[in-house]
Amino acid sequence: ETGVTQSPTHLIKTRGQQVTLRCSSQSGHNTVSWYQQALGQGPQFIFQYYREEENGRGNFPPRFSGLQFPNYSSELNVNALELDDSALYLCASSLGDSPADGYTFGSGTRLTVV
Amino acid sequence: AQTVTQSQPEMSVQEAETVTLSCTYDTSESDYYLFWYKQPPSRQMILVIRQEAYKQQNATENRFSVNFQKAAKSFSLKISDSQLGDAAMYFCAPWGGSTLGRLYFGRGTQLTVWP
Repeated sequence: ETGVTQSPTHLIKTRGQQVTLRCSSQSGHNTVSWYQQALGQGPQFIFQYYREEENGRGNFPPRFSGLQFPNYSSELNVNALELDDSALYLCASSLGDSPADGYTFGSGTRLTVV
Repeated sequence: AQTVTQSQPEMSVQEAETVTLSCTYDTSESDYYLFWYKQPPSRQMILVIRQEAYKQQNATENRFSVNFQKAAKSFSLKISDSQLGDAAMYFCAPWGGSTLGRLYFGRGTQLTVWP
């Protein structure tokens, strides 16, 4: 059992629309990180939340935003979708704020923008 | 910033044989960790093995072991007695404390295991 659940598993949106992806972390995991994995590439870091505050961000524009809630769930929001946003979006949770503590990944949401 | 190079886009191995996946990296950190993750068709990233850079001894986890050459910034993964379930995309990822929780992944190596 993964311990990290992402929904939906697949999603198709139209260019210009907005999308919300959801992640449910393991109980007690105060940190959640989001990654974008384009086809044939390794995952790229979007941002990280620790105890409901953003504490690190990769090279992604402000239309990528997130929220983390006290019940260990989190959201990734993307506004004004572009075709290049088509990718697998992974969330990962951990007890502490570093991967040395051990990240648990979800199975991702496959987003297709048409 | 950290960079990762996985020079083998694809590798294949016969079941029960041994295969080595290569990874080189660049980092300005003096203390860091190195990870190998696998991503099977289920898409979930699964930690295979990790190495703390200050440790000279190579990490081992059952059939998985690493050859860590700190001066050369090389971190290869050896899979012994390969099994069909080892078939997956493998990613190398260094991590240093200055990047907070950010992992830098390579482009991956697709491993095929033949029966």
